[in-house]
Amino acid sequence: NAGVTQTPKFRILKIGQSMTLQCTQDMNHNYMYWYRQDPGMGLKLIYYSVGAGITDKGEVPNGYNVSRSTTEDFPLRLELAAPSQTSVYFCASRSNRGYEQYFGPGTRLTVT
Amino acid sequence: GQQVMQIPQYQHVQEGEDFTTYCNSSTTLSNIQWYKQRPGGHPVFLIQLVKSGEVKKQKRLTFQFGEAKKNSSLHITATQTTDVGTYFCAGNQAGTALIFGKGTTLSVSS
Repeated sequence: NAGVTQTPKFRILKIGQSMTLQCTQDMNHNYMYWYRQDPGMGLKLIYYSVGAGITDKGEVPNGYNVSRSTTEDFPLRLELAAPSQTSVYFCASRSNRGYEQYFGPGTRLTVT
Repeated sequence: GQQVMQIPQYQHVQEGEDFTTYCNSSTTLSNIQWYKQRPGGHPVFLIQLVKSGEVKKQKRLTFQFGEAKKNSSLHITATQTTDVGTYFCAGNQAGTALIFGKGTTLSVSS
């Protein structure tokens, strides 16, 4: 199993551009999460999903959108990139029988 | 809203010394989890504590959950250079999402 994979690894955006961060898991997990991590800070939950077709806002959803059309994929969309969205983004998943979250390797995004 | 606080923010030790990080919640938790993130890496799950007063050990790591289920600690005995990284606690109340602390970054010199 590849676990949780994220693409791209790095990206530089100009202010106002849009992009989609991809996240895929091959463990058949129902729960998926998007976090952002800023230097010296913990992980802040952006959006999460409890299964295909169901998404909900986390602590810091403004400026982001998500969709969950399949169990495997949970893309995160930035519509109008702002410097405040410069961060490292982690996707995670867990099964509905367990509690351990499995994290992807992260996407480092810079908005200038 | 619910907050999870960790202290210290940074800790430097000599190899062989012990290390402890503390986690405090503003509310009673259903459970608490601990994760480790190596420099440049992603968080990796270490353990979950559920019961009041629970103590669990993993080799040189000892995890405790307070009696009131509002605090927790991670203690590492005789640190090694492989222990370097940031340790996060994360807690939640029943049916809510995990709230992560800001982490304690441990550096170890040999």
